[in-house]
Amino acid sequence: QKEVEQNSGPLSVPEGAIASLNCTYSDRGSQSFFWYRQYSGKSPELIMFIYSNGDKEDGRFTAQLNKASQYVSLLIRDSQPSDSATYLCAAPRQNQGGKLIFGQGTELSVKP
Amino acid sequence: DAGVIQSPRHEVTEMGQEVTLRCKPISGHNSLFWYRQTMMRGLELLIYFNNNVPIDDSGMPEDRFSAKMPNASFSTLKIQPSEPRDSAVYFCASSLGRNTEAFFGQGTRLTVV
Repeated sequence: QKEVEQNSGPLSVPEGAIASLNCTYSDRGSQSFFWYRQYSGKSPELIMFIYSNGDKEDGRFTAQLNKASQYVSLLIRDSQPSDSATYLCAAPRQNQGGKLIFGQGTELSVKP
Repeated sequence: DAGVIQSPRHEVTEMGQEVTLRCKPISGHNSLFWYRQTMMRGLELLIYFNNNVPIDDSGMPEDRFSAKMPNASFSTLKIQPSEPRDSAVYFCASSLGRNTEAFFGQGTRLTVV
């Protein structure tokens, strides 16, 4: 099992729809989780982080964490073509000094 | 703050040559990461420093790769000798420490011909 696993996609949604991105992790000790967005040819940029079970909302973005199921997700409401990018989930390994491990990313395409 | 600064942005070199990539982390950050990104393998962690000390280098692919962090404001990743399969984008990132977000530099696109 990969340490952080995502569906590679591509995920295609129409403009205005909700995009749902999923991530599972193997380290039960992980305490924080990060969602990054990466546009083609650019570096990853942080869009959301979550530490506690439940939902965290920031504008059109909602991160959801379920530590019992070792599952974290990102919902994007009212998707826009500008949201088209690769979304990367990341978690630090607590038993390895906190090294930050990324999933392989999910490519999202929002069609006008 | 200017963010994480990497140089060069692009590097084209011949197989067998030595390549040195450079990184200046955000001032005050005490964790530094080197990642390699390819289409096939995604974003792979190569090595992780905390307070200038290498904590985990298990991602370094082979002895041709080495990394140093002589002080809190500078790190290098060296490949000697380089091979075509080393072609990738290399990112440096820094963070305040465990459980905090990492900020990425613009990356170095390495092409070995």
